[in-house]
Amino acid sequence: SQQGEEDPQALSIQEGENATMNCSYKTSINNLQWYRQNSGRGLVHLILIRSNEREKHSGRLRVTLDTSKKSSSLLITASRAADTASYFCATVGFSGGYNKLIFGAGTRLAVHP
Amino acid sequence: EAEVAQSPRYKITEKSQAVAFWCDPISGHATLYWYRQILGQGPELLVQFQDESVVDDSQLPKDRFSAERLKGVDSTLKIQPAELGDSAMYLCASSLAGPGLWGTGELFFGEGSRLTVL
Repeated sequence: SQQGEEDPQALSIQEGENATMNCSYKTSINNLQWYRQNSGRGLVHLILIRSNEREKHSGRLRVTLDTSKKSSSLLITASRAADTASYFCATVGFSGGYNKLIFGAGTRLAVHP
Repeated sequence: EAEVAQSPRYKITEKSQAVAFWCDPISGHATLYWYRQILGQGPELLVQFQDESVVDDSQLPKDRFSAERLKGVDSTLKIQPAELGDSAMYLCASSLAGPGLWGTGELFFGEGSRLTVL
């Protein structure tokens, strides 16, 4: 079962433009993470934001978290063709005695030169 | 840089055959995960180990899937017999922290094993 739902499912932009992806979830969380996956490869961790944080930056990435709306967004500024990949949000919540990490369905980003 | 090793990268098999995947996590990582990812979807957790113990296998189809992590280091995921619907990418991941109150932090993934069942 997947808790996070990403929006949009697919996004196509030109190099230099900003890309924004959204993630909504249903239950309370301890943290939320964003991962990137190039076609046919494993996932790579991008950034982790804790439930008591509202915004976090890493290079060209900016993540926001609104726990009242149960939503997060990932912004990639000044996109490059190399940013073409699928991006997944993953929520971490306490369930059954331990922290559990659940992935959403992902947003497929295409950046055109 | 330490990596999660997986093999094989690609496996083609006929239905009803047995198949096995191997994973060697980053040294010192106590928690090991096996995920299944169907094309176009997000990864779905199959089984999670803390050292050699299973923490969560609620989504593992136990009639045909089995997983073990002897000695709490590397792990094997087996499917027997394979079915057409098992075609997917099987991803292994590890993390430093255990599944208790202060996990889960960052997961480190291997490159995956792509299974095609004919």
